[in-house]
Amino acid sequence: EAQVTQNPRYLITVTGKKLTVTCSQNMNHEYMSWYRQDPGLGLRQIYYSMNVEVTDKGDVPEGYKVSRKEKRNFPLILESPSPNQTSLYFCASRNNQGIGYGYTFGSGTRLTVV
Amino acid sequence: GQQVMQIPQYQHVQEGEDFTTYCNSSTTLSNIQWYKQRPGGHPVFLIQLVKSGEVKKQKRLTFQFGEAKKNSSLHITATQTTDVGTYFCAGFENYGQNFVFGPGTRLSVLP
Repeated sequence: EAQVTQNPRYLITVTGKKLTVTCSQNMNHEYMSWYRQDPGLGLRQIYYSMNVEVTDKGDVPEGYKVSRKEKRNFPLILESPSPNQTSLYFCASRNNQGIGYGYTFGSGTRLTVV
Repeated sequence: GQQVMQIPQYQHVQEGEDFTTYCNSSTTLSNIQWYKQRPGGHPVFLIQLVKSGEVKKQKRLTFQFGEAKKNSSLHITATQTTDVGTYFCAGFENYGQNFVFGPGTRLSVLP
């Protein structure tokens, strides 16, 4: 089944403790992206990657890191999480051929930083 | 940067009534996509519009792309309880690679 898999689904952590949210897709998509979703603010792009070793900042990149060493994986790293990073996070991927393909989203990771 | 706005923010309708959400961008969009997110779920791609003035239909859903490629609309005819969720429009900023979502319209359908 074609899908984007995120782990974990839920995570509660403490301020300053480094964490990684994993994302993997099995559709051979070039383009991958991370979004955070907050009430009233919709989906805001954190980082995106057009292909292996190519990443770029989205609208809200502060406090986050990403890497794209393999085509299928695009982990999101929070080096020193803070409470304002409490949010619902989505990883998404799409085919990069042309400009016209819809995203496939993962099921989301609900992160709470205390 | 680009801003994508949607109105209304919320809409409550009686089952069987029609529903429309409007999407407006501050800049020209290369294309526009629509997504639906059920409560507790993740966004799911519905459709993409590319051409100026384009109209597409999916059963009871009608999607339009404005002539200037800066606005779009989604119309649902005779809503059902299965239509409940948040509808997002999204597009590429100035034909670039930054894909921006609107804030969404949350639809509630009363049986």
